[in-house]
Amino acid sequence: DTGVSQDPRHKITKRGQNVTFRCDPISEHNRLYWYRQTLGQGPEFLTYFQNEAQLEKSRLLSDRFSAERPKGSFSTLEIQRTEQGDSAMYLCASSYIAGEGTDTQYFGPGTRLTVL
Amino acid sequence: AQTVTQSQPEMSVQEAETVTLSCTYDTSENNYYLFWYKQPPSRQMILVIRQEAYKQQNATENRFSVNFQKAAKSFSLKISDSQLGDTAMYFCASGSGNTGKLIFGQGTTLQVKP
Repeated sequence: DTGVSQDPRHKITKRGQNVTFRCDPISEHNRLYWYRQTLGQGPEFLTYFQNEAQLEKSRLLSDRFSAERPKGSFSTLEIQRTEQGDSAMYLCASSYIAGEGTDTQYFGPGTRLTVL
Repeated sequence: AQTVTQSQPEMSVQEAETVTLSCTYDTSENNYYLFWYKQPPSRQMILVIRQEAYKQQNATENRFSVNFQKAAKSFSLKISDSQLGDTAMYFCASGSGNTGKLIFGQGTTLQVKP
């Protein structure tokens, strides 16, 4: 078990460019979450998947953001036409849930995005 | 809507002493969980302790324990015998029992001094 991994760890882009981040969850984890964290603040929920189904999206997730989790394994988060306000740390977390209840989410190291 | 409030932006404690971090929350869900996560400088988020809201007994994990007051919607974290490695930002979070979605507080930066 190598934990949750995210790639890249850092991304610098120019305003208006598209960026894509990848998250590889812990093997066998069926839930995957994306959060956004700005400096000095707590993470904010963006979206989550159970297996390959995207079950909830935050209002923070504008139409420039899209997330996928093909085959219920890794996930990608794409931001189109980036804006300076998109600069943040993007965190991925995964958990295993069977039936009802909440299991512990394990976080990846994050991808720090800087939009110039 | 769910909210989590941490009213102490920064705290400091001497090594080996005890410190308590405060957290209050509000949720409309009947089935929820509460968490404390630790985020060391430039490192990833680590779970410190979790509490099932339906359990009355306070959770403990080695030097870490919580004081869960359900009626008051209060969930404080006590760190005993503080160590230099405890220096980090601590986040309180509430989790939906249905979706698992976490709502985080603003965080408390804890500095352990030698």
